[in-house]
Amino acid sequence: DADVTQTPRNRITKTGKRIMLECSQTKGHDRMYWYRQDPGLGLRLIYYSFDVKDINKGEISDGYSVSRQAQAKFSLSLESAIPNQTALYFCATSDPQMGRTGELFFGEGSRLTVL
Amino acid sequence: SQKIEQNSEALNIQEGKTATLTCNYTNYSPAYLQWYRQDPGRGPVFLLLIRENEKEKRKERLKVTFDTTLKQSLFHITASQPADSATYLCAFYSGNTPLVFGKGTRLSVIA
Repeated sequence: DADVTQTPRNRITKTGKRIMLECSQTKGHDRMYWYRQDPGLGLRLIYYSFDVKDINKGEISDGYSVSRQAQAKFSLSLESAIPNQTALYFCATSDPQMGRTGELFFGEGSRLTVL
Repeated sequence: SQKIEQNSEALNIQEGKTATLTCNYTNYSPAYLQWYRQDPGRGPVFLLLIRENEKEKRKERLKVTFDTTLKQSLFHITASQPADSATYLCAFYSGNTPLVFGKGTRLSVIA
């Protein structure tokens, strides 16, 4: 089983719908992240959380919200999806013991299409 | 704000040759750089980390250099193989925020 699991892996939805992407991890890491990847734009940070009570906005948080339900779970929500939120979304974790040098462990991605 | 640039969007190279990928940054030097590999439809996978006081780091056929004067990191794959074909991303922390990634360079190794 993957250490970082994202569900769903693929989702097609319509403009205006509420969407939740879920991430769970078995690595025991406190730090979790949501990135979005678009062709030509690379990986951009949406939100991150350094522990269960900590939530921080990233570079492109507008239109998104997150919930850190437990150490192992970090969900990303699109309250009212729009077509330019069509992208590949990645959840990642890192070990706080490694501090700022800690590598990120990524999930397999959730491909979202908003029509 | 700090920016990170990977100059080439795509790089084609013959099997057996050395592939060299470039990562440039603006403003202040990061304490370290990380390099990741990403295969199509998959999440990035960590390869190497190099600190600013390290000139060079090696792992098997991979070599990374860090030149704070040029504000540049080079990523080399020696004796490249078709299986090395992937997108390679460089990344570092910008201030107190988590990793900032370059856009990546898509490497194709041609047999």
